[in-house]
Amino acid sequence: DTGVSQDPRHKITKRGQNVTFRCDPISEHNRLYWYRQTLGQGPEFLTYFQNEAQLEKSRLLSDRFSAERPKGSFSTLEIQRTEQGDSAMYLCASSPWVGGKAGELFFGEGSRLTVL
Amino acid sequence: AQRVTQPEKLLSVFKGAPVELKCNYSYSGSPELFWYVQYSRQRLQLLLRHISRESIKGFTADLNKGETSFHLKKPFAQEEDSAMYYCALSGWGGSDDMRFGAGTRLTVKP
Repeated sequence: DTGVSQDPRHKITKRGQNVTFRCDPISEHNRLYWYRQTLGQGPEFLTYFQNEAQLEKSRLLSDRFSAERPKGSFSTLEIQRTEQGDSAMYLCASSPWVGGKAGELFFGEGSRLTVL
Repeated sequence: AQRVTQPEKLLSVFKGAPVELKCNYSYSGSPELFWYVQYSRQRLQLLLRHISRESIKGFTADLNKGETSFHLKKPFAQEEDSAMYYCALSGWGGSDDMRFGAGTRLTVKP
């Protein structure tokens, strides 16, 4: 297992286009998180899944953003009608979930989005 | 709602000097606190968590519920400690997501 992998690593798109990012978590981890990070800021929470269930979604997330984890394994994050303000690093992390305790988050290398 | 504050964006110390990275939090329940680190050109990774009470790479952090703080300390900084450090909080019982502070960039000068 090579850890959490994200694809693509870099995406350049024009304003108004749709983009989709994929995250493959560590196989035995049932929690999966999406974060957004801009320059000089810490990771900003977007949403997270417990298996295939999306448990929480940030109120900051507009309805242009949608995430899925259909079989409780990989996840996709789609941004529709991209805006320049969406330019950021999108981070995925996974963690085990044992006994009601938050586990260590294992991060991917991120997908960098540039909206022109 | 949970919130994590790291008041210093930048911190610079000389090799061998003590270092303290500050973290304050607000949370109405029982929090679990973490420190994550990102070295140059590496992915974000866990450094330590308060529940483990471990010392990792010489770093320690004590949860002070009275002051709602979780400062990271090391008595003698090394050049390889230069990195971005993020304090993070999760609600006890795991019903809440993991929230991060804005981060502190530590530079250890030779």
